[in-house]
Amino acid sequence: GDSVTQTEGPVTVSESESLIINCTYSATSIAYPNLFWYVRYPGEGLQLLLKVITAGQKGSSRGFEATYNKETTSFHLQKASVQESDSAVYYCALGPSNTNKVVFGTGTRLQVLP
Amino acid sequence: AQTIHQWPVAEIKAVGSPLSLGCTIKGKSSPNLYWYWQATGGTLQQLFYSITVGQVESVVQLNLSASRPKDDQFILSTEKLLLSHSGFYLCAWSRDWGGEQYFGPGTRLTVL
Repeated sequence: GDSVTQTEGPVTVSESESLIINCTYSATSIAYPNLFWYVRYPGEGLQLLLKVITAGQKGSSRGFEATYNKETTSFHLQKASVQESDSAVYYCALGPSNTNKVVFGTGTRLQVLP
Repeated sequence: AQTIHQWPVAEIKAVGSPLSLGCTIKGKSSPNLYWYWQATGGTLQQLFYSITVGQVESVVQLNLSASRPKDDQFILSTEKLLLSHSGFYLCAWSRDWGGEQYFGPGTRLTVL
């Protein structure tokens, strides 16, 4: 079935350092799934960070970027300079599959030190 | 603006007891609706989805059922809770099928 694998957390970085959270996917039931990054900040609900629905395109939001790479089946999340307020849990997701399922990764907890 | 409300915020229930969790979406007609479950330390798993009133499709079998009695309401229930039902339940909606989803605040369920 379809699956998403992402960097195991927790990930700890210092403020102003660069960040990459890896996400690779396997989409056996659909050739071009939609890809998403969701984020849960402390005390808040799960919300969309960015999405890309076309292979080869890049999505960006709040200084984060992710490129839909069909060849490597990856959708890594990157930021050039993180801030303490970026501390959160990040989820990579794909969907929908041919069974109308949205598949989430296990989530990566990011802690940014001041 | 659209809002999504889940109730209750948290529940502590005994094994074998019934359960009903609710979700209401305001400000959007005919949303696509979803139920997710996350065990402690686990990943989000989609349980059900609904495209229209009265129609609910199951994605994962967890001895739970779902119903959509109104356009803006989604109910998750079971007659007999299991220990394995403990976790965090999230309701979500989307405008477009396959598009971004908007999540509710969730319900924390503890089964003892």
